[in-house]
Amino acid sequence: AQSVTQLGSHVSVSEGALVLLRCNYSSSVPPYLFWYVQYPNQGLQLLLKYTSAATLVKGINGFEAEFKKSETSFHLTKPSAHMSDAAEYFCAVSVSSGSARQLTFGSGTQLTVLP
Amino acid sequence: KAGVTQTPRYLIKTRGQQVTLSCSPISGHRSVSWYQQTPGQGLQFLFEYFSETQRNKGNFPGRFSGRQFSNSRSEMNVSTLELGDSALYLCASSLASGGRSTGELFFGEGSRLTVL
Repeated sequence: AQSVTQLGSHVSVSEGALVLLRCNYSSSVPPYLFWYVQYPNQGLQLLLKYTSAATLVKGINGFEAEFKKSETSFHLTKPSAHMSDAAEYFCAVSVSSGSARQLTFGSGTQLTVLP
Repeated sequence: KAGVTQTPRYLIKTRGQQVTLSCSPISGHRSVSWYQQTPGQGLQFLFEYFSETQRNKGNFPGRFSGRQFSNSRSEMNVSTLELGDSALYLCASSLASGGRSTGELFFGEGSRLTVL
């Protein structure tokens, strides 16, 4: 079975500081990995995805993530936090189940940006 | 290009009632998935439809059902509502389904159901 674990349900950073949100995955096959962001009372928006091409993936809003097979990690980073980055972030792994695929999500990390 | 549209956005029901939620996928997307989001359980997969066929189903009771129409629009139904069904129900669409796809999903804003 494939799964993801997000370390830290709440992360606080100061505006302008580095953002680091941690995600570790468990997969018996090469995974497809995703980061989504959710703003209050909204759906999920795709930030970036890893699909076995480049291990360093750049996404929207200045975010990027690096796939590290040896560490089974896919941590999300942004060099300088902005107030508008405050939201909940979800890491997800794509799971093949018979003829279908589905996303299995981590439990989420709430990011707070302090002025 | 219009995104995924879910209706209604908010609704309140009482225990024992039933509810139907609607989802219109992005034009050209044939796969529609449904997820339930609650503070306690997080995001949980309900089911996926592709070309009017349910391709995958999560671990939910039979009170939860869905269908997909020939235009790819989808509905989900919850019968005999319980307090624990209060949640944000998210619909997501994708171009393809199955092993050939990467699983990238495009989500709607959700339907927030409150059961009293």
